[in-house]
Amino acid sequence: DTGVSQNPRHKITKRGQNVTFRCDPISEHNRLYWYRQTLGQGPEFLTYFQNEAQLEKSRLLSDRFSAERPKGSFSTLEIQRTEQGDSAMYLCASSLVFDRPEEFDTQYFGPGTRLTVL
Amino acid sequence: AQSVSQHNHHVILSEAASLELGCNYSYGGTVNLFWYVQYPGQHLQLLLKYFSGDPLVKGIKGFEAEFIKSKFSFNLRKPSVQWSDTAESFCAVNNQGGKLIFGQGTELSVKP
Repeated sequence: DTGVSQNPRHKITKRGQNVTFRCDPISEHNRLYWYRQTLGQGPEFLTYFQNEAQLEKSRLLSDRFSAERPKGSFSTLEIQRTEQGDSAMYLCASSLVFDRPEEFDTQYFGPGTRLTVL
Repeated sequence: AQSVSQHNHHVILSEAASLELGCNYSYGGTVNLFWYVQYPGQHLQLLLKYFSGDPLVKGIKGFEAEFIKSKFSFNLRKPSVQWSDTAESFCAVNNQGGKLIFGQGTELSVKP
């Protein structure tokens, strides 16, 4: 299966610790998105990259959150000094976007990383 | 700000019943519209999408959706549901690319 993969699938940490998640997009997809989903809600956008450039960040992404995609392939999302409110499912999606305006962005999602902050 | 509203939070149907899930969005410009589905224990999958053209779009597993621009709606339909359709469905919109804005989801339970 060459879909989007995310590691780890589950992470339990204590408040105040740092955590890092990894996302591997579908091969050759140039866009990579991060979302967060809490129970009973739809996913909320955090940030996205086109190749290695971070094009947009949500106001949800506080200073404790940082995302990178250094070589335009995989991406990492780091949360520093975790808080209980950070407990959520963190989703990654990727897509292939061309320059022509009629080629639209269809995002394919990974299985997510479930973070529990104790 | 863009937003998506799904009217039904939990729908319970018997097999063979017809399904319609409501989705309304608020955005004045040109939009792309999506329905994603999450089956138990699985990740989000694309059910169908609308970019342009025929406002009635067909997706996988017999689902379809109709874009009504004047009503800012993109309702999901299926004429006859099966037990295997039990899942949570999310309506989403974006401005011709970029971040998706999701509704809060509708949980569908189909009784055999």
